[in-house]
Amino acid sequence: DQQVKQNSPSLSVQEGRISILNCDYTNSMFDYFLWYKKYPAEGPTFLISISSIKDKNEDGRFTVFLNKSAKHLSLHIVPSQPGDSAVYFCAASGDSNYQLIWGAGTKLIIKP
Amino acid sequence: DAGVIQSPRHEVTEMGQEVTLRCKPISGHDYLFWYRQTMMRGLELLIYFNNNVPIDDSGMPEDRFSAKMPNASFSTLKIQPSEPRDSAVYFCASSLEGVGTNVLTFGAGSRLTVL
Repeated sequence: DQQVKQNSPSLSVQEGRISILNCDYTNSMFDYFLWYKKYPAEGPTFLISISSIKDKNEDGRFTVFLNKSAKHLSLHIVPSQPGDSAVYFCAASGDSNYQLIWGAGTKLIIKP
Repeated sequence: DAGVIQSPRHEVTEMGQEVTLRCKPISGHDYLFWYRQTMMRGLELLIYFNNNVPIDDSGMPEDRFSAKMPNASFSTLKIQPSEPRDSAVYFCASSLEGVGTNVLTFGAGSRLTVL
């Protein structure tokens, strides 16, 4: 049972345009959501997070939106740059303080 | 700080051999996590430690897997005997506090291939 789903295995976007990565979850107990970015041969690195008490969090070119009623969150990257090409993981945490539930990841390719 | 350090970066071994993966967490981080990443199952939490004590090992696949943290700056994940299905990338991560709202810092991973 996948509690966190990233339904798009890959996404290709033109440089300078907006990249939108989506994530759906099923567990209403999740109260904190994170996005990690992973380059090949490296570990995931933290990108941005959002608490369930908010519906938006922005950090430079990165914005995460949370729609609790739809159990959906999205990561917007504007403008997209070649260095953004990576695999993006959505993760969620809830009633335990150690268990992060991860999505399968979306590979973002930024075309020059 | 150099971040979370894992070794070896790559390991190729034959079925039945013992494999030991090593991790040095970030100094001052109280939590250490071992994850496994495969194409089929994505990122799976195997075990985590708090202040060097194993708290939850329910993600460890079977008795062939064991993990230790003899001190705050070192942890090992051992597979004995190894099997081809253990082939994966193993990540170590550490954090200041529990996951909750705290960020995990990952190492670069150890890619294991069991022939």
